[in-house]
Amino acid sequence: QSVLTQPPSVSGAPGQRVTISCTGSSSDIGAGYDVHWYQQLPGTAPKLLMYDNTNRPSGVPDRFSGSKSGTSASLAISGLQAEDEADYYCQSYDAGLTAYVFGTGTKVTVL
Amino acid sequence: QVQLVESGGGVVQPGWSLRLSCAASGFIFSRHAMHWVRQAPGKGLEWVTIISSDGRTKYDADSVKGRFTVSRDNSKNTLYLQMNSLRAEDTAVYYCARERTHHAADAIDIWGQGTMVTVSS
Repeated sequence: QSVLTQPPSVSGAPGQRVTISCTGSSSDIGAGYDVHWYQQLPGTAPKLLMYDNTNRPSGVPDRFSGSKSGTSASLAISGLQAEDEADYYCQSYDAGLTAYVFGTGTKVTVL
Repeated sequence: QVQLVESGGGVVQPGWSLRLSCAASGFIFSRHAMHWVRQAPGKGLEWVTIISSDGRTKYDADSVKGRFTVSRDNSKNTLYLQMNSLRAEDTAVYYCARERTHHAADAIDIWGQGTMVTVSS
């Protein structure tokens, strides 16, 4: 099963901007499928953070933004806050496998 | 409020079977495709399976194909996961989750709290 590749960790000081990359292939992101992002706080279930590449569900701060280009996508967190410390996962779809695929996950640390 | 509550997890031996249930409430269950997603201890998320809103279409991850079967009872607002021939590598928290809309490959917008399955001799 294919997976999407993310950096294992990123960190930043409060107030800074960090970005998380999500690299796929021509069979998933590159095939035009949307990318979605989830935030998982320690010990809790994942929460939808961004859908269809750039859309924030109600209640998600506008400090979070998403983008997609070619076979990759990115999640940016601006004005980093202590409460943003969590694991973040991207997700898309692989038509060749008829399977949903998650990224490897990125741990965000607020210094 | 919109809620998914899983049950049925536990400790089983390799080769045994287990059935998970997920009770949905607060939304029209029969209008949404549903997923099972799992997370092994200290690891990332792994998609397991999806069932369409009417139950007619199902897709599975290669890792569970032929061993796990997803089903649903729309009259009871309940999703199931029948897990057979369990292996140690199936040890994980299993999340029941809702697809956001009827559009294909949409995001997962509602997650349950998860139920732990441990496969160990």
